[in-house]
Amino acid sequence: GQNIDQPTEMTATEGAIVQINCTYQTSGFNGLFWYQQHAGEAPTFLSYNVLDGLEEKGRFSSFLSRSKGYSYLLLKELQMKDSASYLCAAMDSNYQLIWGAGTKLIIKP
Amino acid sequence: GAVVSQHPSRVICKSGTSVKIECRSLDFQATTMFWYRQFPKKSLMLMATSNEGSKATYEQGVEKDKFLINHASLTLSTLTVTSAHPEDSSFYICSATSGQGDVDTQYFGPGTRLTVL
Repeated sequence: GQNIDQPTEMTATEGAIVQINCTYQTSGFNGLFWYQQHAGEAPTFLSYNVLDGLEEKGRFSSFLSRSKGYSYLLLKELQMKDSASYLCAAMDSNYQLIWGAGTKLIIKP
Repeated sequence: GAVVSQHPSRVICKSGTSVKIECRSLDFQATTMFWYRQFPKKSLMLMATSNEGSKATYEQGVEKDKFLINHASLTLSTLTVTSAHPEDSSFYICSATSGQGDVDTQYFGPGTRLTVL
């Protein structure tokens, strides 16, 4: 079956760095997306990876290893506004998104 | 760019009534729109995929007669929850893609919180 695993909750300190991991198993693979979702709001797009390696975009970076079925989202210089859920979603061979349950990130001062 | 709006943002209705939710792509033509449902502290559950001018494709377990989807134009899709019941209370979110390739980023609307009394 198709499956996405990511931690349920993580806690980090303002100004620090945090890495949110995601492992996936899909029928075929057409890339991996990361979305940010604040409580009560819809998700907003953060990144898309389809090739192995690290993609950096400001304070946020996303990494993909296709051979390991693994991705991570790296957040640097954490700010209180980064407190949110982070959703990992893999696109399968039918171009359908398979969603993880999300990782709730709590930032403490 | 890539802004998607949804209306209404919140709706409270009585059991047995129907509710229509609109999803609009404001600055691009959305060949494909998706409707999701999200329960508290849960991930997104895809309900259906709609392409402009054709019938929506519903996911297994989603009642097509209860959740009517119309993708009337390249910028508008509607979801109508017919004869709503309290168990239909949820956060409904639409997303849209421009359909310029197979791998398209989905841009989400702000969501509609439906409460059925």
